[in-house]
Amino acid sequence: DGGITQSPKYLFRKEGQNVTLSCEQNLNHDAMYWYRQDPGQGLRLIYYSQIVNDFQKGDIAEGYSVSREKKESFPLTVTSAQKNPTAFYLCASSTRPTGMRGTDTQYFGPGTRLTVL
Amino acid sequence: AQSVAQPEDQVNVAEGNPLTVKCTYSVSGNPYLFWYVQYPNRGLQFLLKYITGDNLVKGSYGFEAEFNKSQTSFHLKKPSALVSDSALYFCAVRPPLGGNNRLAFGKGNQVVVIP
Repeated sequence: DGGITQSPKYLFRKEGQNVTLSCEQNLNHDAMYWYRQDPGQGLRLIYYSQIVNDFQKGDIAEGYSVSREKKESFPLTVTSAQKNPTAFYLCASSTRPTGMRGTDTQYFGPGTRLTVL
Repeated sequence: AQSVAQPEDQVNVAEGNPLTVKCTYSVSGNPYLFWYVQYPNRGLQFLLKYITGDNLVKGSYGFEAEFNKSQTSFHLKKPSALVSDSALYFCAVRPPLGGNNRLAFGKGNQVVVIP
């Protein structure tokens, strides 16, 4: 977990509310990622960013939004449009892939557990 | 698109016995393969990766994995399991071409080491 922090550790949301999950890294990594983990389903990619001020949708982006204004930070907002947001959310970072030589290992933060009340 | 299969939901092994966690993959071209471990309510910790070269890769905490191209497998192994190895293990794959570094993860294997 070293170098990547996520806050809060636990988050409770009422239906209809937007909530923002924080992810910060001090590894000087260009690329950052958000995953959602549900029991028995592994990790699914929500959004990723390869460089500041740029990000792309992953496999399950609907109901989520992100920003990448600083290299160190990649916050994830879970909007009211996300119908089933209760899950464990993991942020990761890596050095920026460089085409065919891109083998950069992703390192993960400790996660945020979001529960909808 | 790349994909990973981890066929066993749970692996039970006695402490001191060899541990094997299975992983097969599907990807175009030569794959980059990874193993991660997750303890309860924690993030994923990187164990090892295969990029190229020797088929046997050694990683953290005494783990190793063997890349087998003909069987499209990348099984994780440890010669002598410890109770502290009880955790959730994920295999992941990405294709070598392209620069988005998108990993495809398996569903994970729960390993239970019995004292």
